[in-house]
This record gives sequence, C-alpha cells and structure tokens, in this order.
Amino acid sequence: DAKTTQPPSMDCAEGRAANLPCNHSTISGNEYVYWYRQIHSQGPQYIIHGLKNNETNEMASLIITEDRKSSTLILPHATLRDTAVYYCIVKGGAGGFKTIFGAGTRLFVKA
Amino acid sequence: SAVISQKPSRDICQRGTSLTIQCQVDSQVTMMFWYRQQPGQSLTLIATANQGSEATYESGFVIDKFPISRPNLTFSTLTVSNMSPEDSSIYLCSVEDRGTGVGYTFGSGTRLTVV
Repeated sequence: DAKTTQPPSMDCAEGRAANLPCNHSTISGNEYVYWYRQIHSQGPQYIIHGLKNNETNEMASLIITEDRKSSTLILPHATLRDTAVYYCIVKGGAGGFKTIFGAGTRLFVKA
Repeated sequence: SAVISQKPSRDICQRGTSLTIQCQVDSQVTMMFWYRQQPGQSLTLIATANQGSEATYESGFVIDKFPISRPNLTFSTLTVSNMSPEDSSIYLCSVEDRGTGVGYTFGSGTRLTVV
C-alpha cells in the first residue's frame, strides 16, 4: 500500500504558485520523499526528491517539515502545461527499490 | 537520465490473444520495473525484472498471465497473455536512474485495448 496521502484534486491560477501537500506520517528515517508528475497519456516524470532538507531545482521546490511527516511541492509560477497528476512517493529504507504509487493529486491550472 | 524506448506505443487486440511489449534502455540497468495503469487509475507495480533471474511479481499478478523476459541489462519484455477486455490498460516500464539521481525514469507506455 502507498505510504502517502494527498488531496485528490487542486486548482491553481496561471502564474501563481501551486502548493501541493503530502502526508507521510509513517515515514522512516532512511526513506526519501519523491515527487513525480504524469501529464495526460505520458509516462510519469521525475520532479524532485529529498530526505530532510528543503530542496530546489529548476522545476520546483520541496519543503519537508522538521518531523518529516509531511511535505509540500511548490511550483513557483504555474503554467497551463503544469496541469497533471502529481504523485508523492516515499521510497528507500526497508522498502528498498520499489516505487509504489498512491492516487496522487490532479492539479488543474486555469487561465 | 536514461532514455527508454517502449514498443508498441498502442495496440488493439482480440480477446484470447497475447501481446508482447518491449522495453529498451540506452544504458545498462540492474532492475527494470513493469507497471499497469488502468483507465483513470494510478500506476500499479506488476513485477520487478532482474537480469539472469526470475522476475518478482507483486500480489495479484502471476507469471502465467504476465510472463517477463530480461535477457540482458538493457532490454526486457512483458507479455500480456490470454487477454480479456479487463486487460485494457496502459503498460509502462521503468528503470532506476541511480547515476543521475533523478529517481526513476519511465517509458512512454503502451496503450492496450482488448476487444
């Protein structure tokens, strides 16, 4: 079973920041938080990952709470092309190499 | 990151027949993963394929229905056997991109419709 909980859908206005929350209250010390997205009819695309520090790359920022029980993916300036399903995944540690997908959050970016 | 070529991209098949999906990676990888995505649903892991050993199947998936081959470190096939309309899904292969740190890379998927 997936170890994460995400809202099923969210809306965001184009040009605004999209903040996608994820709850992973059972995360263990050596498990990473990964984010992927799936644009319609394509394979999932890696966005970002982190262990406990906040991370930023050219696509997004990842904010992980100090207790690591939740995280937020931030798309700083959402565009219509960011409309997709976003998956938060906990992986590593005893779970090892498998990537198990939950239901994800369907983000709608509106003009 | 690794580049995956998956074939065919889509197919329409008659029930009772079988379809073999190919996954080619441009670099050597230890593990390859096969997923199924039913219409409107998330991805479900079918099995993990290691070169030189039998694939490891997840609960609910069996080798007779989804035989997998892994002849070398850059190639794998998934066969969907004795198909029924319930097998209509997108099938995706995936590899771990350890060297580049980008997590997992996915193929573009095979959209299968069984009629």
